[in-house]
Amino acid sequence: EAGVAQSPRYKIIEKRQSVAFWCNPISGHATLYWYQQILGQGPKLLIQFQNNGVVDDSQLPKDRFSAERLKGVDSTLKIQPAKLEDSAVYLCASSLDQKPNQGYTFGSGTRLTVV
Amino acid sequence: AQSVTQLGSHVSVSEGALVLLRCNYSSSVPPYLFWYVQYPNQGLQLLLKYTSAATLVKGINGFEAEFKKSETSFHLTKPSAHMSDAAEYFCAVRTGGYNKLIFGAGTRLAVHP
Repeated sequence: EAGVAQSPRYKIIEKRQSVAFWCNPISGHATLYWYQQILGQGPKLLIQFQNNGVVDDSQLPKDRFSAERLKGVDSTLKIQPAKLEDSAVYLCASSLDQKPNQGYTFGSGTRLTVV
Repeated sequence: AQSVTQLGSHVSVSEGALVLLRCNYSSSVPPYLFWYVQYPNQGLQLLLKYTSAATLVKGINGFEAEFKKSETSFHLTKPSAHMSDAAEYFCAVRTGGYNKLIFGAGTRLAVHP
């Protein structure tokens, strides 16, 4: 099966600019996650979708970050305006459902550098 | 709240030596535990998972981990390191409720000849 697709792979922007990341999960996976991985740290969940509804966005900085999952398939994550501390790898993952015994399948990530 | 602590941000072993990466968890309910590996410029790949069946879990690439409830540990081992094992390894625990994965800070494994 095809994996989780993400684009772009790399992005460099200036602070205060906006940026968007795209994710296409594995076909049939109802649950989609966006994680932020800052250099030297473990991934941190930003937002979790079940189909096209938000399940958990408690760690999403809502003053600058937004995400949507239209039609319960593809998802986009947006940052506007970006800050230097947003430099990180943004990982998208999906799972078949929310059963706790399942691992996630991760995409290759988008590496964002804010200068 | 659930959490994961990985002891040692960097581990270095010789090729052919035992690999031991340490993970301790904190959970108020029976946990689901996972180990992921991340190669440079790639996403995370699932190595193995504990889901309350056998306490000794075998994964891919010769890795295994043992769940020890009394020690709240889930250490990752491999009998003989290979150069291709050099990567970053993350331990993760899954909560109840919304079942999100919570990751440790990671351990970078270096393998030298």
